[in-house]
This record gives sequence, C-alpha cells and structure tokens, in this order.
Amino acid sequence: SQQGEEDPQALSIQEGENATMNCSYKTSINNLQWYRQNSGRGLVHLILIRSNEREKHSGRLRVTLDTSKKSSSLLITASRAADTASYFCATAGTLYNFNKFYFGSGTKLNVKP
Amino acid sequence: DAGVIQSPRHEVTEMGQEVTLRCKPISGHDYLFWYRQTMMRGLELLIYFNNNVPIDDSGMPEDRFSAKMPNASFSTLKIQPSEPRDSAVYFCASSLRSGGSYNSPLHFGNGTRLTVT
Repeated sequence: SQQGEEDPQALSIQEGENATMNCSYKTSINNLQWYRQNSGRGLVHLILIRSNEREKHSGRLRVTLDTSKKSSSLLITASRAADTASYFCATAGTLYNFNKFYFGSGTKLNVKP
Repeated sequence: DAGVIQSPRHEVTEMGQEVTLRCKPISGHDYLFWYRQTMMRGLELLIYFNNNVPIDDSGMPEDRFSAKMPNASFSTLKIQPSEPRDSAVYFCASSLRSGGSYNSPLHFGNGTRLTVT
C-alpha cells in the first residue's frame, strides 16, 4: 500500500510550544500534502510539497520532505488552542496514480491553553 | 464559494435499506472523489471521477456500492442494501487540475455520518 503513516498517533502540548508530526510512506510520490481535520468536519488542506522540494513554509507551518527516506514532517510553531485537531499526510502517486490520494491514519494534536 | 456541499449530514437507517448520499462539488472543479472514514481503516478512497466519468472505482468495497455523476455539479453514492459494517463517515472532495499541473489539493465537504442499525 502507498498509504502514509503518521507518528505519533497522539500528541499533547501546551499552548506556545512547537508540535512536530512525522509521516512515512512506501512508494514514489508526485507530491505530499498535509491536511487538518477538526472534530466533526471535513479535511482542510494546509500545505503541499512537491517531490523535488525539500522544505516549504506557510505561516506557522514548516514542512520538510526527504524522498530518500520516504518521510515528511510537519512543524507547527507557537501552537494555539485552535490548532487542536487531527493532522493527516496524503501522498499522490506518479504516472497513472497521480490523482489517487492516499491518507495516513493521522496524528491527534491536543493543545492545552 | 460555498465549498463542497454534502447531504444529508447524518443518516440513520436499518439494515437492508437503500441509502443515497449526495455531493455538490465546487463549481469549475473537474475531479470528484468519494472517501470513507472509519476508526479502524482510516480514510479510504472509494472512487473518483474526472469530468463526470468514473476513472477508478477499485476502492468500492462491494457491488452493493455504486456512484454516479450525471453532471458536473452533482454526484451520488448509493448503498443497496446497507449493512451495519457500512457505518462510517462518507466524504466527498473535489479538486481542480489547472495549468497542466497534477498537484491539486482536495477540497472536502463536511461529510455524511451514516449509521446502519
């Protein structure tokens, strides 16, 4: 399976601290995306990193990609209570699978005020 | 834009009944995806369409599941007959492939929570 796997499964931190989540996947990818899901809601796209990129920033988010290790990390700096959610990585395949997005099992982040 | 709209938000039905889930993608988007989310299996891709044509339905679990997209603004996922193990949250998502790039984020609806008793 191409499915990504996040680590850790759950993370609890204090407001203001940084949160780091990791994602590993198994096969070649076109790009990797991170999504957030608030309880009872759909997933919301956060950031996309292409296979030829190594790092990308968006506001308080920093994503890295290491294709040699087939892994990615999402760093949320100066976390806020509103960041409490589940975070998923999604990989898009290559060639004929480029529109098939495979999601990992997610990291549940709890930011305590 | 209103985003991806799914209906109903909640559906409770008895085993054996037919269930129809509905989705309105974002206007102009040319890809539509149906996902199922459960605690045990996470997010599973069931089927996706491009320009209203089903491209890959390899994730559809059984013949009891069928999906249609009669036009660019509407899609349905039907389960007939429904079973308790079909209980899950079903998400519809759409995306736009622009400028020849394959890298398009998915826009999700808020899902339909299906409970089959």
